Amino acid sequence: GAVVSQHPSWVICKSGTSVKIECRSLDFQATTMFWYRQFPKQSLMLMATSNEGSKATYEQGVEKDKFLINHASLTLSTLTVTSAHPEDSSFYICSAPRGGRQHYGYTFGSGTRLTVV
Amino acid sequence: QKEVEQDPGPLSVPEGAIVSLNCTYSNSAFQYFMWYRQYSRKGPELLMYTYSSGNKEDGRFTAQVDKSSKYISLFIRDSQPSDSATYLCAMSVSGGSNYKLTFGKGTLLTVNP
Repeated sequence: GAVVSQHPSWVICKSGTSVKIECRSLDFQATTMFWYRQFPKQSLMLMATSNEGSKATYEQGVEKDKFLINHASLTLSTLTVTSAHPEDSSFYICSAPRGGRQHYGYTFGSGTRLTVV
Repeated sequence: QKEVEQDPGPLSVPEGAIVSLNCTYSNSAFQYFMWYRQYSRKGPELLMYTYSSGNKEDGRFTAQVDKSSKYISLFIRDSQPSDSATYLCAMSVSGGSNYKLTFGKGTLLTVNP
């Protein structure tokens, strides 16, 4: 149980276009979703925290107008990379507290590899 | 000093060996401790989860938390080539559902057949 489904698993887009990444909690309600970015051979870097029905909280240095996060329902959170550039190429991963509660640990999506050409 | 320190390795062991992975931390408020396994180009997979101090065993995996020393460990017995991956420790403070995880840098483990 406690599965987060992330799509797409990989995407290639042209510079200047926007890309949307979806994360769905399949068997629990995710009131909170964390969005991470990971560069090769590095650990996960938290970008933002989204809460259902409210504005996302962004980490220092993350452009909120570039990385739009929407958490409109208890089972769906989306990250849109707007006007993507090659430096946005990275591995993006979402995560939510299992069962909607911290006490059960956090489960991760399978990740999205974004390549901007 | 970083909040969570983890030796990045790489660590290479023969099949069947006992593997010991460790993290130290500086924030005494951390209450939840986790170990994740991440294969290349995949999302992290939760291996072990511990609240506060103590030991927890699950199959070939044992997690230990020593809050007095601010030190956590993951032991893998009878290691297999399929255990080859990056292992990430992670921890968070207590309270509510929206407390973020703080990760170690990850240790790259290779188990050789």
